[in-house]
Amino acid sequence: DAKTTQPNSMESNEEEPVHLPCNHSTISGTDYIHWYRQLPSQGPEYVIHGLTSNVNNRMASLAIAEDRKSSTLILHRATLRDAAVYYCILRDVVNSGGSNYKLTFGKGTLLTVNP
Amino acid sequence: GAGVSQSPRYKVAKRGQDVALRCDPISGHVSLFWYQQALGQGPEFLTYFQNEAQLDKSGLPSDRFFAERPEGSVSTLKIQRTQQEDSAVYLCASSLEVGNSPLHFGNGTRLTVT
Repeated sequence: DAKTTQPNSMESNEEEPVHLPCNHSTISGTDYIHWYRQLPSQGPEYVIHGLTSNVNNRMASLAIAEDRKSSTLILHRATLRDAAVYYCILRDVVNSGGSNYKLTFGKGTLLTVNP
Repeated sequence: GAGVSQSPRYKVAKRGQDVALRCDPISGHVSLFWYQQALGQGPEFLTYFQNEAQLDKSGLPSDRFFAERPEGSVSTLKIQRTQQEDSAVYLCASSLEVGNSPLHFGNGTRLTVT
């Protein structure tokens, strides 16, 4: 799997928007960009994924750069419950020789939300 | 609806003991994954099942680790002769299909080897 680079940590204030960046300069044309988050003492939770176009769901938005070498996860109004480690992961479901199923996690970004 | 369930939630084992960790995936999910997460690190892939077939066990750290999913639903991860370095959280995840389906994770089993 191609690698991603994320800041180790970020801080935000409650009810303000949060932009979590992810660099993936070696992304291939068939890599999907996935985001998961992990709250304390819980397993990772799927947030959103996309290929080329920006994506929105009830949890967040995903903005993908035109060259696809970076992306940003946007939480529109952070709450205390959004404090978690956020993982940006590339997943190739076409050209991984049958191993497209697994996610390869890095260390992610620890998001702290201040009240 | 019911998510992925793992038991026990916590397990303490003495070095050299065998342990068995259970995962109940979401009903109907084809794919099942086991991950190991050390403190302060991201989850590391251990093994993958598609129904009852174990298609990838490349992440299992040694031959002391064994996983099975005999009827394509419940899975068990067994660790023989536990060592201190096996102490970690063991996460199970399932997904509906092969490919791009999101993974649904359980809350893990925290294993402490003393």
